[in-house]
Amino acid sequence: QVQLHLSGPGLVKPSETLSLTCTVTGGSMSLYYWTWLRQPPGKGLEWLGYVFYTGGTNYNPSLRGRLTMSIDMSKNQFSLSLNSVTAADTAVYYCARKASAFGIFDPWGQGSLVTVSS
Amino acid sequence: EIVMTQSPATLSVSPGEGATLSCRASESIDNNLAWYQQKPGQAPRLLIYGASTRATGIPVRFSGSGSGTEFTLTISSLQSDDLAVYYCQHYNDWRAFGQGTKVEFK
Repeated sequence: QVQLHLSGPGLVKPSETLSLTCTVTGGSMSLYYWTWLRQPPGKGLEWLGYVFYTGGTNYNPSLRGRLTMSIDMSKNQFSLSLNSVTAADTAVYYCARKASAFGIFDPWGQGSLVTVSS
Repeated sequence: EIVMTQSPATLSVSPGEGATLSCRASESIDNNLAWYQQKPGQAPRLLIYGASTRATGIPVRFSGSGSGTEFTLTISSLQSDDLAVYYCQHYNDWRAFGQGTKVEFK
């Protein structure tokens, strides 16, 4: 079955760029929407946006301008960049798959805590 | 913007008893609703989609119901493996998730 594995640094300095990569195994990336979410410590879930397998993207309006998502089908990977980070961006970041632009998230990657601190 | 409101924030239930979690949408979302289970330190897992369809491998003690603005997740007989935070999610908005209901043993 499809599995997602997230990788990237666990610590980012304020004002710098947070970069994460999600590697997909066990299935094709074609026809799906590949998404990013985050969860600040002790808080709820926030959907950040998605990249379609064709490369098309759509971002949460609350973060538009700071987010960039991309996909590399040859490596079975998709990536997230979030610039100008502050302590408010400290969260567990998740990657997940969607079968449609607005639909369910399934499956999810394991999550990765990213702390923004100097 | 549709707002999802879950209640209660914490639900205390005796082992083996039933648990009923509620999710309310600020306007009708038909049956475009999913439920997820999140155990400590883990990613959320899809339980229910389309308001009432169990995802693959989900035990039958989990059931979902509702449409429009009122939705319910029922755990028929609470087990220790069910202790978690449960989130509802509607399909069609960026602000997709409710704030969660924590299920614990009484």
